[in-house]
Amino acid sequence: EAGVAQSPRYKIIEKRQSVAFWCNPISGHATLYWYQQILGQGPKLLIQFQNNGVVDDSQLPKDRFSAERLKGVDSTLKIQPAKLEDSAVYLCASSPGRGKETQYFGPGTRLLVL
Amino acid sequence: QKEVEQDPGPLSVPEGAIVSLNCTYSNSVFQYFMWYRQYSRKGPELLMYTYSSGNKEDGRFTAQVDKSSKYISLFIRDSQPSDSATYLCAMSLIGSNYKLTFGKGTLLTVNP
Repeated sequence: EAGVAQSPRYKIIEKRQSVAFWCNPISGHATLYWYQQILGQGPKLLIQFQNNGVVDDSQLPKDRFSAERLKGVDSTLKIQPAKLEDSAVYLCASSPGRGKETQYFGPGTRLLVL
Repeated sequence: QKEVEQDPGPLSVPEGAIVSLNCTYSNSVFQYFMWYRQYSRKGPELLMYTYSSGNKEDGRFTAQVDKSSKYISLFIRDSQPSDSATYLCAMSLIGSNYKLTFGKGTLLTVNP
């Protein structure tokens, strides 16, 4: 079974630029999560989708971050404009849903904002 | 006070040692407790999953939950160099859509 795929793996941008990350979850997984992991910290949930609907986006900085999951499969996370403090690893995870909630994580995208 | 506290280490042990990793938490309604292992430049992978108080064993790994003390532990027996990684505790509430709250992670190095 293929795991969660993410791209790009690394991205370096200057502050005030925009950036987008892509995630392809495990086939058939209904729930998709985006986490932000700052160096030396545990992952923090940004947004959770159930199919193509948002379940929880309470910790998403909506003035600059946006995410979508069209057709309930792939997802993109966008930052516009980026700030220095957005430098982090952005992790995507998926879970089967329907009471089976083990989350499987992708390798993450490392973002450095200069 | 953070919801989940975890000593970030780093922790360095010789091969074969018993390792004890711990987290404390403040929210008494957490019901699901997990330990994730994260290798450098990889995503976290689930190691152990427990529900409520008690012990759970899986090979060399034992997870322990003490809800009365709001304290969880992960023990690694006969540690191996391949166990070198960051270990993250995580927990969630019933009815929270399984939203995970993570600790900071403990960096473990097992020296051959």
